[in-house]
Amino acid sequence: KAGVTQTPRYLIKTRGQQVTLSCSPISGHRSVSWYQQTPGQGLQFLFEYFSETQRNKGNFPGRFSGRQFSNSRSEMNVSTLELGDSALYLCASSWTSGLAAYEQYFGPGTRLTVT
Amino acid sequence: KQEVTQIPAALSVPEGENLVLNCSFTDSAIYNLQWFRQDPGKGLTSLLLIQSSQREQTSGRLNASLDKSSGRSTLYIAASQPGDSATYLCAVGGGADGLTFGKGTHLIIQP
Repeated sequence: KAGVTQTPRYLIKTRGQQVTLSCSPISGHRSVSWYQQTPGQGLQFLFEYFSETQRNKGNFPGRFSGRQFSNSRSEMNVSTLELGDSALYLCASSWTSGLAAYEQYFGPGTRLTVT
Repeated sequence: KQEVTQIPAALSVPEGENLVLNCSFTDSAIYNLQWFRQDPGKGLTSLLLIQSSQREQTSGRLNASLDKSSGRSTLYIAASQPGDSATYLCAVGGGADGLTFGKGTHLIIQP
């Protein structure tokens, strides 16, 4: 079974631009979560989607948004990029969501550099 | 707000030693606890998942325990090997609330 895939793997953008990252979950998984990893803050939860609905969102500004498609693939978008948005963005998929929390599987990440 | 602490932040041991990594969390109302390893510049690899109703899980040379009442978990690595060198992350929560991660333990196994 193929793992979680993320595209692109590396990205360089300029301040003020916007960016879209893509995540394809493991086949059969319906929950997709996004995390930001920086040296200073570590791993922080961005948001989770389940059945095309955002279930929860972490403490990030509205410039960070996402969506999920009917095939469970997900995208996240960051508008008006700032230097502090430079990070490794990780996507995780899980079979389901809610109280019966299942194991989360992570993709290789997208390394975003903002100059 | 849930906070997760991992001790030690870094550890270097000779090959063959058994070692213990520690994780503590402030809110015992968790759904599960998951241990991951991360190699430099890579994503996270899931090692073990312990559901809130369980006390421990084992996989090969790895054993993880969970004590919800005291807010602690330990990851035991037996007979360490150079290939075990990585950053080990503990995460609690899961589901719609997302995972709350510790800052990790950077482990180096000396050949």
